Amino acid sequence: KAGVTQTPRYLIKTRGQQVTLSCSPISGHRSVSWYQQTPGQGLQFLFEYFSETQRNKGNFPGRFSGRQFSNSRSEMNVSTLELGDSALYLCASSPEQAARSGEQYFGPGTRLTVT
Amino acid sequence: AQKVTQAQTEISVVEKEDVTLDCVYETRDTTYYLFWYKQPPSGELVFLIRRNSFDEQNEISGRYSWNFQKSTSSFNFTITASQVVDSAVYFCALSDSGMDTGRRALTFGSGTRLQVQP
Repeated sequence: KAGVTQTPRYLIKTRGQQVTLSCSPISGHRSVSWYQQTPGQGLQFLFEYFSETQRNKGNFPGRFSGRQFSNSRSEMNVSTLELGDSALYLCASSPEQAARSGEQYFGPGTRLTVT
Repeated sequence: AQKVTQAQTEISVVEKEDVTLDCVYETRDTTYYLFWYKQPPSGELVFLIRRNSFDEQNEISGRYSWNFQKSTSSFNFTITASQVVDSAVYFCALSDSGMDTGRRALTFGSGTRLQVQP
């Protein structure tokens, strides 16, 4: 099976712009989660989607949003970018049978740089 | 609230040495899951192991072994006869029902950077 794929892999934006990142989960996985990784804050949970519905949300401002499509692919959007949004954004997918444990499989990430 | 602590920021060893990565966790749940992930320079988090709170049996997989002790809230990871390819950042993570919705998300430790010198 192909793993989790994320596009683009690298992105450079300027402050105030918005950005959309894309994630395709492992085939058959319907749960998709997003994490932000920064040197200062480490890995932090953003949100989780299942069957096009947001099931869980971390402690991030409303500028961070996401959605999931009927084919389980997910996008996350960050509006009004700030320098502090520079990070590696990781997407993870999970089969429903693993939902109780939280076991997740990660993609390679999108490295976003905000200048 | 749940918390995962990896006190070792960076460890450097010479190839073939054994190395243990420490992980201490906090949770109020009686049912929870613990994980170890490896992050090589490419950035992708690679799943290594999952352990549930009811299974304290230690596990060995090749050169990797894990020691789970509920009494000390620790889930340590040992690499035997380390190799240069083991160089990476290793993360310990906790999944419990801490979220209001009951859905589980991973709470990660800050990671331990392991450098294996040839």
